[in-house]
Amino acid sequence: EADIYQTPRYLVIGTGKKITLECSQTMGHDKMYWYQQDPGMELHLIHYSYGVNSTEKGDLSSESTVSRIRTEHFPLTLESARPSHTSQYLCASSETLSGTRKNSPLHFGNGTRLTVT
Amino acid sequence: AQSVAQPEDQVNVAEGNPLTVKCTYSVSGNPYLFWYVQYPNRGLQFLLKYITGDNLVKGSYGFEAEFNKSQTSFHLKKPSALVSDSALYFCAVSSGSARQLTFGSGTQLTVLP
Repeated sequence: EADIYQTPRYLVIGTGKKITLECSQTMGHDKMYWYQQDPGMELHLIHYSYGVNSTEKGDLSSESTVSRIRTEHFPLTLESARPSHTSQYLCASSETLSGTRKNSPLHFGNGTRLTVT
Repeated sequence: AQSVAQPEDQVNVAEGNPLTVKCTYSVSGNPYLFWYVQYPNRGLQFLLKYITGDNLVKGSYGFEAEFNKSQTSFHLKKPSALVSDSALYFCAVSSGSARQLTFGSGTQLTVLP
């Protein structure tokens, strides 16, 4: 049923490693987002994109970076993972509703649960 | 700045009883309000939204929410809870001029058999 895909689902990695979390959507949505969520806790927006070659930082400061070279793809990269990066990362997308400035509801992927040892 | 408050971290209700999950918001301009549900180890799923129109909004899985402008609330309700409704529920708000959603802290709903 998911039209937005995140890989890997689970990742355990050592401190200092570079990692990229993948996110792809097949709905042609112009907007994409990355949220960080500790288990059972609130979501914090860390990055968003309103289109190709457009990326901005969210409310929560993050050492990660993102890129948006293609509409459907919005990867998140950590250059040097640390234990403080252990969390769940949720990718989402939405589209601008035709004739309005409003966004459709967000579609979320199933998340990547990252553990940095 | 916009904000959302979900005053209850945990709501327990017996199966078959009505349930309410509370949400209040603060936003400048007209609010756009959403409810999402999250099951364990999954992303969030959209339940329902209020943009304009009727104050009572019906959504997926028998849920509904009532928009109350004077109380700045958007409580989620269901007449008869199911054990399968047990999950984490998030309220979210956006204004017409805001560029992103602001999520509440979430409410864990447990429906007891």
